[in-house]
Amino acid sequence: DIQMTQSPSTLSASVGDRVTITCRASQSISTYLAWYQQKPGEAPKLLIYQVSTLETGVPSRFSGSGPGTEFTLTISSLQPDDFATYYCQQYNVYPWTFGQGTKVEIK
Amino acid sequence: QVQLVQSGAEVKRPGASAKISCKASGYTFSSYFIQWLRQAPGQGLEWMGMINPNSGGTSYAQKMQGRVTMTRDTSTSTVYMDLTSLRSEDTAVYYCARRSPVSLVVDYWGQGTLVTVSS
Repeated sequence: DIQMTQSPSTLSASVGDRVTITCRASQSISTYLAWYQQKPGEAPKLLIYQVSTLETGVPSRFSGSGPGTEFTLTISSLQPDDFATYYCQQYNVYPWTFGQGTKVEIK
Repeated sequence: QVQLVQSGAEVKRPGASAKISCKASGYTFSSYFIQWLRQAPGQGLEWMGMINPNSGGTSYAQKMQGRVTMTRDTSTSTVYMDLTSLRSEDTAVYYCARRSPVSLVVDYWGQGTLVTVSS
């Protein structure tokens, strides 16, 4: 199975900060990389797929980048609604695998 | 609007089985693969398998092989996930989720079903 490693596990930031989360795949996954946001008690919500394509309705402060095996999710200016846990996911091959998550906390 | 509505929470003894339903509405049921994923308390997401509602064909995670069965009922637009020989490590929220044929990832999720395995 492809291992997805996210860093950091926890991130403390303030409203307005620029935030970057990194995800590394154990082997090439081409551009089949997605990012999800999850809030407590809720199902995950798709933010980005194919490395950098924003899902409909997702604010433009979210962006994704990175080819090959190292990817980043950037939030350009953190908003109160963005405090949540973020997961990367590879869907190049089954089984789909996810990073362990990055919790974005209020500083 | 697209909806995936799952059955309610369950409490099971170790060794028992759990069968969760996921009723789809608001779209053509047979056109979208359904994935099953789970999330143990405080943990990340784990893909369990998927079913093609059109053919009934399935693919399971190797870890779940032999204990999981996914089926569908096209007359009611419902998919089922049956997990047998439950153990405490199976305590989790179980999600059904629709895979978009465009993005190839999940675009809609069920609300989740908590299965608690405890003696």
